[in-house]
Amino acid sequence: GAGVSQSPSNKVTEKGKDVELRCDPISGHTALYWYRQSLGQGLEFLIYFQGNSAPDKSGLPSDRFSAERTGGSVSTLTIQRTQQEDSAVYLCASSLEGTVAEAFFGQGTRLTVV
Amino acid sequence: AQKVTQAQTEISVVEKEDVTLDCVYETRDTTYYLFWYKQPPSGELVFLIRRNSFDEQNEISGRYSWNFQKSTSSFNFTITASQVVDSAVYFCALSEEPNSGYALNFGKGTSLLVTP
Repeated sequence: GAGVSQSPSNKVTEKGKDVELRCDPISGHTALYWYRQSLGQGLEFLIYFQGNSAPDKSGLPSDRFSAERTGGSVSTLTIQRTQQEDSAVYLCASSLEGTVAEAFFGQGTRLTVV
Repeated sequence: AQKVTQAQTEISVVEKEDVTLDCVYETRDTTYYLFWYKQPPSGELVFLIRRNSFDEQNEISGRYSWNFQKSTSSFNFTITASQVVDSAVYFCALSEEPNSGYALNFGKGTSLLVTP
């Protein structure tokens, strides 16, 4: 596609349920990033993929969070046993080389845990 | 510790006024990169500029200009003759870690409101 695509755009889930957020990066972009944007914490880095491997998972807030990327393309961020503090907008970005190329962002998934 | 500080939480100006958004960063690295992103109400982050630590030359792009000063660890952004369409949240970001693919370390953002 022309840009980074994220789905769903909105997700409401009950506390304790698992959720999966999807990111389709720009074709050919080898680097993929997940960020979280919340009122209290601003924009936080979660995880970085180069190809299918994740050299840096340091931003994942807890072991309830995991992510994978397959075929060097689509990535899925999974949150298990969701908590209310997980409510946020989850943003995905991709870039050409994972160096300091311009990162292109998707429109995000707004997750609300009730 | 916050590596990027945007002290101005909200700014409100009248159309055609000039406005400067402040950004102060903190790093021990000699090689790093600074960015500005715009987030309009639609929510998508839009890239505005990237600067590396070795290039202190100021840059102008239309009504936008950036002032990078290593001596004060600042990377300020000025919008000249502001327009209503400039209303958005603006984020300054620092990138310094190759192991994280140079992931962005964002400031808290400055919300700019331009009124007619």
